[in-house]
Amino acid sequence: GDSVTQMEGPVTLSEEAFLTINCTYTATGYPSLFWYVQYPGEGLQLLLKATKADDKGSNKGFEATYRKETTSFHLEKGSVQVSDSAVYFCALSDPAFGNEKLTFGTGTRLTIIP
Amino acid sequence: DGGITQSPKYLFRKEGQNVTLSCEQNLNHDAMYWYRQDPGQGLRLIYYSQIVNDFQKGDIAEGYSVSREKKESFPLTVTSAQKNPTAFYLCASSIRLVYYNEQFFGPGTRLTVL
Repeated sequence: GDSVTQMEGPVTLSEEAFLTINCTYTATGYPSLFWYVQYPGEGLQLLLKATKADDKGSNKGFEATYRKETTSFHLEKGSVQVSDSAVYFCALSDPAFGNEKLTFGTGTRLTIIP
Repeated sequence: DGGITQSPKYLFRKEGQNVTLSCEQNLNHDAMYWYRQDPGQGLRLIYYSQIVNDFQKGDIAEGYSVSREKKESFPLTVTSAQKNPTAFYLCASSIRLVYYNEQFFGPGTRLTVL
């Protein structure tokens, strides 16, 4: 079956540091890829997405590039802020299964210290 | 504003009681989902529904039941058969797209069984 593997957390960085959260996947079909963010006590919000190889999703200073050759979708941000502290989930949608559901990684907790 | 509402935000129940969590969406989405989230874990799919009057079991359906009588509503009942019901429950919805499945999430209900 499909799976998503994320970098183990928690990750703690100082404000203005560079962020990378690794995500790799296995999929039967040609998946679409997503990053979701969850702030404390809230539901998930879509952060960015990419639907085909070499697409770059971006939002709020975050970026991720769909790399088919390495089956990866790593999340990056050049300068993090305290407000970026949250849990980040990588996910995929697989048309081989009719895009019926999302497969999520286990999440990476990010804490930014001033 | 369009969105997904879940109520209540916090719910307390005694062991052995059934409890129903509400999920309503006004996004005109066809598909709806229920997830369970436990501390330090990713999201696990409980049930999902692609259309009215139809639903499928997810990965951890035992001890839960759902109904989908209206497009806007997808209530989840946590029954007394669920051995460890204390968790954060998230509802989501999506348009049924051919190429990818972008899900929109509600704010969640935190259920505590005493």
